[in-house]
Amino acid sequence: EVQLVESGGGLVKPGGSLRLSCAASGFTFSSSAMSWVRQAPGKGLEWVSSISSSSAYIFEANSVRGRFIISRDNAQKSLYLQMNSLRADDTAVYYCARSITSRPGWFDSWGPGTLVTVSS
Amino acid sequence: EIAMTQSPATLSVSPGERATLSCRASQSVSSNLAWYQQKPGQAPRLLIYGASTRATDIPARFSGSGSGTEFTLTISSLQSEDFAIYYCQQYDIWPPFTFGQGTRLEIK
Repeated sequence: EVQLVESGGGLVKPGGSLRLSCAASGFTFSSSAMSWVRQAPGKGLEWVSSISSSSAYIFEANSVRGRFIISRDNAQKSLYLQMNSLRADDTAVYYCARSITSRPGWFDSWGPGTLVTVSS
Repeated sequence: EIAMTQSPATLSVSPGERATLSCRASQSVSSNLAWYQQKPGQAPRLLIYGASTRATDIPARFSGSGSGTEFTLTISSLQSEDFAIYYCQQYDIWPPFTFGQGTRLEIK
């Protein structure tokens, strides 16, 4: 069974940093592209960033470019999101999501999410 | 960036009836479209990819159709567990991957 579990969320002040992690199990992690998708309170889904299976390709939304960095450790079966210069509008539940292919596309499995709150 | 527009914003349907949800892309996305279901407090769940292929373990009452710019998600006979928010997502031209704003399916 595919399992994705996010961690690392919490309350952080504007301008601060946070590192999210996603632990994967139940599938060949090194063969799957991985992504972060977020959802602000009461709002819809927003794609944040994706990384190919081998880390050769990284993509990010304009809204986070230069502030957020996605990475992965295939040996540890883990996905990360380093979030810097956080702003109030980064407040959201952050989901880790898998794409079944080596490049991202549709997201066939999701973690339960971790809440990031940016507030003074 | 491709904009995805879903309609209606809210759909009220009685259990056992058919629900039809629409998604429009601002330019052609071929058949590179997915549908997700999200219940309160839960992560999204993949229903459909490739515009019409059901994901693993998705009941046959869910069907997707369309290509290009116009897409439809049909739920043939609504069950109580189907009342949720539904999102479409294009993965043809990216980045960015873009989602529709969602359709809330509520009990009439």
